[in-house]
Amino acid sequence: TQLLEQSPQFLSIQEGENLTVYCNSSSVFSSLQWYRQEPGEGPVLLVTVVTGGEVKKLKRLTFQFGDARKDSSLHITAAQPGDTGLYLCAGASNTGKLIFGQGTTLQVKP
Amino acid sequence: NAGVMQNPRHLVRRRGQEARLRCSPMKGHSHVYWYRQLPEEGLKFMVYLQKENIIDESGMPKERFSAEFPKEGPSILRIQQVVRGDSAAYFCASSPLAADRGNEQYFGPGTRLTVT
Repeated sequence: TQLLEQSPQFLSIQEGENLTVYCNSSSVFSSLQWYRQEPGEGPVLLVTVVTGGEVKKLKRLTFQFGDARKDSSLHITAAQPGDTGLYLCAGASNTGKLIFGQGTTLQVKP
Repeated sequence: NAGVMQNPRHLVRRRGQEARLRCSPMKGHSHVYWYRQLPEEGLKFMVYLQKENIIDESGMPKERFSAEFPKEGPSILRIQQVVRGDSAAYFCASSPLAADRGNEQYFGPGTRLTVT
């Protein structure tokens, strides 16, 4: 059974601080996707990483896929209150289904 | 280009009734996935469908749950004889590509099912 461990589960920081969220697995994924989910809504796709070692940037967000395609990280620089939300990582299996981590609830205080 | 659409957004059913959840994928997408998010739990895969075919139903409960994606019309997730434990948010996602050709999935807003 493929599992994806996401940490930390909760994170409360001050505006302007940096943070990193991790997703780790013992399994290899064909790709890994990061989503953000607001209360009462569906997950919104932020980025997909496919190649081992790949790094993608989205404004102040930096996503990295591990060389072995088993782990990933999301780094946010100079967090802002608008970054508050639930962040989810999801690994794609070869059969198509996404395996989700437990999620990281981020609160950025002004 | 409209996103993935799900209806109803909220559904209340009494124990023993049937629940029908609908999902219209994004235009041009022929791959549909259903996920369930139980209270205080993460998203769990249920079933993967292409038009008129079930590709992977390894996450579907063996009884009372079924899914279809007909040639015309939306995908339907059907839950017969609902029980309180079925109360959850059900999300549909669609993708333009097959699983082995890249797998970016776009999610709908979900249907919140409450069983009383």
